[in-house]
Amino acid sequence: AQSVAQPEDQVNVAEGNPLTVKCTYSVSGNPYLFWYVQYPNRGLQFLLKYITGDNLVKGSYGFEAEFNKSQTSFHLKKPSALVSDSALYFCAVRASGNNFNKFYFGSGTKLNVKP
Amino acid sequence: KAGVTQTPRYLIKTRGQQVTLSCSPISGHRSVSWYQQTPGQGLQFLFEYFSETQRNKGNFPGRFSGRQFSNSRSEMNVSTLELGDSALYLCASSLEIGLAGGDEQFFGPGTRLTVL
Repeated sequence: AQSVAQPEDQVNVAEGNPLTVKCTYSVSGNPYLFWYVQYPNRGLQFLLKYITGDNLVKGSYGFEAEFNKSQTSFHLKKPSALVSDSALYFCAVRASGNNFNKFYFGSGTKLNVKP
Repeated sequence: KAGVTQTPRYLIKTRGQQVTLSCSPISGHRSVSWYQQTPGQGLQFLFEYFSETQRNKGNFPGRFSGRQFSNSRSEMNVSTLELGDSALYLCASSLEIGLAGGDEQFFGPGTRLTVL
């Protein structure tokens, strides 16, 4: 079975501190991994993705994520958090190989960045 | 390019009614997916369409249906509405020129459905 887990419902961090939002996955074969952010009353916005190659991927707004195959993880990170980063973050996975594989989304992690 | 658009943005219906939601993907995108988002259940996959064919389906009852037109625009329909159908319905499109599945999805703002 394919799935995505975001073990933390909420992450609290002070502005200027580094942040990490965790994601682990289970998929048959090689994964395609994605991070999205959702601001209140908005749709999801794409942040970054891992397809192949370098395990560290950089995305929008200074975010980056590291693919760790042995730990089946794809944690989202940012060196210095901003109050404006406060939002709901979703991790998603899709098995590679063909477009017939579904996207699986995690339950979301609410990030609170305090001034 | 214009983003994914969804209409209407807000809907209020009563139990037993039916509703149709519309989604226009980004120009050139061939895949359209629908999701239901609720505070308790998170993001639940409804179905995906590609070239007017349903390619994947989530675990929703038959009251939920959809279709895709030749211009890639998509509609979803919910018949015999129940209180539990109140949710934000999100549409997402992706390009998928290749076949490997690595294209990200672009989401619309959603349609907020309230069932009274």
